[in-house]
Order: sequence, then C-alpha cells, then structure tokens
Amino acid sequence: EDKVVQSPLSLVVHEGDTVTLNCSYEVTNFRSLLWYKQEKKAPTFLFMLTSSGIEKKSGRLSSILDKKELFSILNITATQTGDSAVYLCAARHYGGSQGNLIFGKGTKLSVKP
Amino acid sequence: DTAVSQTPKYLVTQMGNDKSIKCEQNLGHDTMYWYKQDSKKFLKIMFSYNNKELIINETVPNRFSPKSPDKAHLNLHINSLELGDSAVYFCASSQDSISYEQYFGPGTRLTVT
Repeated sequence: EDKVVQSPLSLVVHEGDTVTLNCSYEVTNFRSLLWYKQEKKAPTFLFMLTSSGIEKKSGRLSSILDKKELFSILNITATQTGDSAVYLCAARHYGGSQGNLIFGKGTKLSVKP
Repeated sequence: DTAVSQTPKYLVTQMGNDKSIKCEQNLGHDTMYWYKQDSKKFLKIMFSYNNKELIINETVPNRFSPKSPDKAHLNLHINSLELGDSAVYFCASSQDSISYEQYFGPGTRLTVT
C-alpha cells in the first residue's frame, strides 16, 4: 500500500533555530513530492520536487528530494513564530488516479519567541 | 476574489441527517477535488472531477455523493450522516488533472452529534 511518513510528528523550537522536517515515501509509480504549509485553514503550496538532488529554495525554506533513498527534507532556517504550522508532505504518482496526492500526517512545528 | 470557496464553513448536525457542502472555484481550473481531514490532521483524497467527469473515487462510503454541475463547482452530498463523518472537508482545484499545484478552499468543519 502506498504511504507517506513524516517525522517528527511535532517539534518545538525557539525563534532563530534551524529545523529539518523529514518525509519518506513508498509510492508505486512515484512522480513527484510536494510540501504544503497548513496554518489554521487550508494547506498552501510550498514546493514540488521531481528530480533527485536539486534543491528548491524560497526565502528561509528549502527542500530536496532523494529518489534513491525515497525521502525528502524541508529545512527552515532562522525560524520565526510565523513559521508555526503543520507541514504536510504529499506524494504524487502516475497512473489511473492522475492528480492524486497521498499525504503524510504532517509535522506540527511550534516556534516559541 | 476568493479563489476556492466553500460553504458552509461550519456545519453541526445530528446523526442520520443528509447534508451538502458546496465548493466553487473562480480560477478557471479544470480539475476539482474533495479531501477529508480527520481529527489527527490526516488529509485523504475522496474524489476528483476533471471537466465535470469523475476521475478519482477512493474508497468512500456510497453515502457520499459528489456532484459537479459545471467545472467551476463541485458539491458534496452526504446521506445518513454518522459520527465518524465528523471532520474538516477541504475542496481543492488545479489547472488540470496533471498539474501539481492544488489550491485549497478554507475547509468545512462538519460535526455530527
């Protein structure tokens, strides 16, 4: 069965810390991996990763995919209280269910002032 | 100018009732989705429509019936509500069934008592 596993499930850090969130996947016909940030409402898109070893960067956030070891990490440097959220990882696969995203359970990040 | 909107935002109802949740997107997207997020924040796809046609139908009780009158709308009707249906339901849309970036609505929190 296809699955996406995120770790840790929750994390508490202080402002200024750097955090690394992990996502491993076992997905048949894997296509790409996506990261979302979910605050109080709906998830908002962060990154989409298709190729191994190519870092995607947006401000203090960066992410990379390892298709050999089947995992991805999301790094956040110099964390701020506004980074507090649940970070969701999702895998897409080719096949009949195009567009289907298989989500992990998320990592709840709390950034303390 | 909300991109993806859902109504209602909150819905409290009793077991056995029938209820509907509406979703509309003004992005001109071809594909729309319904997700269920349970109390543990696990997000799982339920249905997807592309140009009013059903393309994803995960293992969901047949009490749940999606309806897409046009490609800008995807409604979710739920018959004979059960306690386990309590969750947040998110609607999302994407440019097409291949596009990776999905835009989520604000969610509908359904509570069945």
